[in-house]
Parts: sequence; structure tokens; C-alpha cells
Amino acid sequence: AQSVTQLDSHVSVSEGTPVLLRCNYSSSYSPSLFWYVQHPNKGLQLLLKYTSAATLVKGINGFEAEFKKSETSFHLTKPSAHMSDAAEYFCVVSPDSNYQLIWGAGTKLIIKP
Amino acid sequence: DADVTQTPRNRITKTGKRIMLECSQTKGHDRMYWYRQDPGLGLRLIYYSFDVKDINKGEISDGYSVSRQAQAKFSLSLESAIPNQTALYFCAIAPTSGGAQFFGPGTRLTVL
Repeated sequence: AQSVTQLDSHVSVSEGTPVLLRCNYSSSYSPSLFWYVQHPNKGLQLLLKYTSAATLVKGINGFEAEFKKSETSFHLTKPSAHMSDAAEYFCVVSPDSNYQLIWGAGTKLIIKP
Repeated sequence: DADVTQTPRNRITKTGKRIMLECSQTKGHDRMYWYRQDPGLGLRLIYYSFDVKDINKGEISDGYSVSRQAQAKFSLSLESAIPNQTALYFCAIAPTSGGAQFFGPGTRLTVL
């Protein structure tokens, strides 16, 4: 069965320090993987996607994620957090193009001044 | 203009009432989806449609129905609303090739 696990429900970092949001997946296929962001009282925005090209994927707002097949992970990182990064982040897997997206439960990122 | 619009943006209703949430898109994508979001549960798929004649149940379709009136329009109905259907509802679209989905702004529904 396909699944996505976001390992932390909340992550708190100080402004200017690195961000790491962890995601593990399980899939029988070679999946596509996505990160979405949801700012408070806003809709969902695609941050980045992995679709079997380069394993290091760069997204918007300075975020990037690395696909590691051996670890079945797709962690999201950013070198330096900004106050505007405070939001909820969702890791999502799609086992193939005709399969529905499988959503993680989300990680709330808190930025301390 | 937004690629995906949802109406209404907020709705408060009473138990037993019929409610329709509407979604329209300007991208010409074939695939359309309805999700609900509850705190701590991520997004759960209610229904999806790969074209006008193709409607499929998602993970949590009980108590909901949908209509794909045209390629650009996909509406979600609650025939008899109940309080545990209080949630944030999102419509999403995707191209035929699948992959990333693009979301509307959401409808906040409260059932009293």
C-alpha cells in the first residue's frame, strides 16, 4: 500500500537558521513526489515536485528537496528561514500518473524571531 | 484572474440542509478533484473526474455527490448536511498527464 509519513507535526526554528521538514513514503512504483505549502487561511501552493529527473529538486522561495530512493525519503530543506515561511507543509506522493495523490498529515513550521 | 475559483468562500448552514459548492477553472484541464481538509488529517479525496463523463469516488464519498456539468465546472453537493461535514473544502485541477494538482482558494463550510 502507498503511504506518506511526515515525521514531525510541528517544527520550530529561529529566523535565519536552517529548516528541515522530514517525509518518508512507501510506494510499490517509482513515484512522483511533491511538497505543497499552505499559509494561514490560504489555499495550497505547489512548492516543488520530483518526477524521476534530478534527485535534488529546487522549488520556490529557496526551498529544495532531495529524493533518496534507498531511504524512501523526500525531505524538504531551506538554508535560512524567514518569518514568511511560517505555514503548514504537506508531503504528497503519486505512485503513477493515473493514481490519486496521497497526502501526508502536514507539518506546521513555526519561525521564532 | 485565478485559474481555479470556488464559490461560496464561506458558508454556514444547518443540519439537514442541501448545500452545493461550485468549482470552475480556466486552464482547460481534464482532471478535477474535490477534497476536504480537517486539522491534523491532511487532505482527503472525496470525488474526482478525469473528464465530463468520468466520475469516481474517492476515499470519503459517503454523504456527498458531484456533478461535472462541463469540462470547466465541477460541483460538490451535500444532500443533507451534518455537523461532521464541517471542514475546509478544496477543488483542484490537473492536466491529463497527471502529476501536480493546482488548488482553488477553498470553501469553509460550517454545519450547525
